[in-house]
Amino acid sequence: EVQLVESGGGLVQPGRSLRVSCAASGFTFEDYAMYWVRQVPGKGLEWVAGISRNSAIINYADSVKGRFTISRDNAKSSLYLKMNSLRIEDTALFYCAKDKNSDSSGLNYYFDLWGRGTLVIVSS
Amino acid sequence: DTQMTQSPSSLSASVGDRVTITCQASQDISNFLNWYQQKPGLAPKLLIYDVSNLEPGVPPRFSGSGSGTDFTLTISSLQPEDFATYFCQQLHNLPPTFGQGTKVEIK
Repeated sequence: EVQLVESGGGLVQPGRSLRVSCAASGFTFEDYAMYWVRQVPGKGLEWVAGISRNSAIINYADSVKGRFTISRDNAKSSLYLKMNSLRIEDTALFYCAKDKNSDSSGLNYYFDLWGRGTLVIVSS
Repeated sequence: DTQMTQSPSSLSASVGDRVTITCQASQDISNFLNWYQQKPGLAPKLLIYDVSNLEPGVPPRFSGSGSGTDFTLTISSLQPEDFATYFCQQLHNLPPTFGQGTKVEIK
């Protein structure tokens, strides 16, 4: 079955760090760019970060640049997001998403497969 | 950033109704516009990419149109499984941005 499963969310204090993970299965992970997108429950969607299939191209939203680091391990079919200096406004459901296109070395921003998300709550 | 404005924010409709949702971009995004459907408690699902191309398995009652700054998602005959929130997304300019969503509710 083609799927993405996020993990690692939880309650964390402001200023602390957290790493969330995404395990991919059912497709050739190394062929696709991957992304993190977040959603405040009941609200809209915000793209957070993207990484090309060989990690050569990485982009971040301005709201997380310098604080968050996206990475991947193709041998383990896994995507990661290390979040430092967390703020209350980072509280959200973090989704891992796969790019639709396998024939590009860059980031295309077509999110054709999503996980169910992992909830990050930043609170004192 | 390119702002995406959807209207309406919510609507009530009956099974069988024709439903239209609009999405306006704050600047020209050519045809780089996707639509997603999200049901409560579930992740978003890509419905339509590049304005009018249906993802595999998406029923033909869904269609998309538009170019430049103004886009439309149409459901020709609303079915019970279509009650959900719909988001547009532009990918022409970085960062990719989403509309605020349109919730389609049962009348």
